[in-house]
Amino acid sequence: QKEVEQDPGPLSVPEGAIVSLNCTYSNSAFQYFMWYRQYSRKGPELLMYTYSSGNKEDGRFTAQVDKSSKYISLFIRDSQPSDSATYLCAMRASGVGNTPLVFGKGTRLSVIA
Amino acid sequence: EAQVTQNPRYLITVTGKKLTVTCSQNMNHEYMSWYRQDPGLGLRQIYYSMNVEVTDKGDVPEGYKVSRKEKRNFPLILESPSPNQTSLYFCASSATGNYGYTFGSGTRLTVV
Repeated sequence: QKEVEQDPGPLSVPEGAIVSLNCTYSNSAFQYFMWYRQYSRKGPELLMYTYSSGNKEDGRFTAQVDKSSKYISLFIRDSQPSDSATYLCAMRASGVGNTPLVFGKGTRLSVIA
Repeated sequence: EAQVTQNPRYLITVTGKKLTVTCSQNMNHEYMSWYRQDPGLGLRQIYYSMNVEVTDKGDVPEGYKVSRKEKRNFPLILESPSPNQTSLYFCASSATGNYGYTFGSGTRLTVV
């Protein structure tokens, strides 16, 4: 079983739709959870981050972490064409030293006007 | 502007010809890291540095070297590049190493 699983899509939705992106993971030591957005020919940019379980909201974006199920989600409300990108989940265990970020393979999202 | 700068953006080279990809950050971050991104494999960590003169191997370090002589710079060295190192490379930095990684714009390397 891969450490982080993410459906690669592609996912195509109409403008204004609610988008749900998900990742599952197997390592119970993961404590830091992130979502990155990557536009074509660009580096990933941090969108949301949470520590341990719970929800976090930022504008149209909501990140959820369910550690009991080893499942994280990113919801995008009122999706816009500018949201079209690849979304990468990433997570990291706590600890001193190199506990590296482990990325999902990314979900490609297209929002159609 | 806070940023991570990588150079060059694009590079085509031949097998065995040593090359260096530079990375510089202007945020006084302690943590810096190199990743490669390949279709179907996602982002994988090559090397990592927690501070000056402190480096550590990531998941795929074979064929790469790094150095961290100054806090702002973290070059990636390929002593003898091979075609399987053809990839998209990203440098990233972070203040804490927990989250908030800032990525550079990437270097697309082709080894023929």
